[in-house]
Parts: sequence; structure tokens; C-alpha cells
Amino acid sequence: ETGVTQSPTHLIKTRGQQVTLRCSSQSGHNTVSWYQQALGQGPQFIFQYYREEENGRGNFPPRFSGLQFPNYSSELNVNALELDDSALYLCASSFPGRNTIYFGEGSWLTVV
Amino acid sequence: KNEVEQSPQNLTAQEGEFITINCSYSVGISALHWLQQHPGGGIVSLFMLSSGKKKHGRLIATINIQEKHSSLHITASHPRDSAVYICAVRPNFGNEKLTFGTGTRLTIIP
Repeated sequence: ETGVTQSPTHLIKTRGQQVTLRCSSQSGHNTVSWYQQALGQGPQFIFQYYREEENGRGNFPPRFSGLQFPNYSSELNVNALELDDSALYLCASSFPGRNTIYFGEGSWLTVV
Repeated sequence: KNEVEQSPQNLTAQEGEFITINCSYSVGISALHWLQQHPGGGIVSLFMLSSGKKKHGRLIATINIQEKHSSLHITASHPRDSAVYICAVRPNFGNEKLTFGTGTRLTIIP
């Protein structure tokens, strides 16, 4: 039990649609990162939020956006879905100054 | 070339065997993580290393900062150890972004 919960666990969307994935972190974990993991690959960094501000971004287009809320929850939004967006999306949070990272179970997104 | 390379990509062994998974990286790091991912997708952090060696139960992780290399060992392997093991590094500077290897798929046969 990592204390990080993600929803939904699985979903199917149509190309061109928009999706919102949610993550709830432990209290006090004000750093949250989102990762995309394609089948058979390691996770790729999408972006990180710290105290509700974006604090670093990987090589993902602007249609990937996020929000972090004061209650330690966060969202990943993807607009204009493409088939290649099909992947496992992982949320990871940490307490400031601590090296331990806690991952959620992930959200499996299939775009058809 | 990936910043983080793992070997082997796939490993099948008999129950009880000693397992070694290797990770090499090419950037300066502040920490290296060993993670375990089961088929459902969730990731569990096994170790965080910045130097030396750590042991937890049957798992041992070592790191050589000069050689930019880390190993994860499993003693007396068991079928429940079957999973994907992923090495991830945190760079020296900047935010807490992790760069991941592609993982090693371990299968332990009873």
C-alpha cells in the first residue's frame, strides 16, 4: 500500500477525444510526477508539479497538461487523443526532501 | 543510446537460484532506484541508493558511482519474485524527474 491512488484503472477512448486521469497522494506529498509507460517500455517522464506549479516537463506535446490541487490530488489531461497515447499512465509522489517515491497502480488507457 | 541500460531484458530461472540484474547509466546522478512492477502495472519501490549497498530480506542492491553501475541480487529466488524489475535514476540537478530503464522481466519456475 503506497498511499497513492489513481482513477480510473482502465478506460477506452476514441481517437480525438479528451481524457482526464486522476491521482490522489498522501498528505504532505507536494511533489507529484506523471509518467507514460508504453507496452514493453520503461516509463517516460511527462511532467512534474510542485506546490501546484509545473516544475519540469518531458518531451510531450502541449496537449498533455496537468493540474495539482491543495489537497494533494492531481490530474493529467490529454486532448485530441491519438492511437499512440495508448499506455499505462503512472502517478508518483514524494515528500519534499525525501528520496522515497510512491507510485500509484496506474491508469490503463486504450485509444481506438 | 538510452541514458539507463538494463541487462538482461528477460531472465528465466529455477526456484532457488541466485539472480543478478544489472543497470548501467551514463549521467551523473543523485540517486538510483530499483523498482518492481507486477503485471497489473503498479510499481513498488524496492531500494533507493546513492552509494554502497543495501539489503532487505532476500534482496540486495549495490551501486558503484565511479563505474556508473548498479546491481540487484535476489537470493533463494521464489516464483512470487516473478515481475519486471526496473532501474531508475535521478539526475544530479534539477527536479526529481526519474529516467527509467526498460526493465528486466524475471520469471522464476517452481
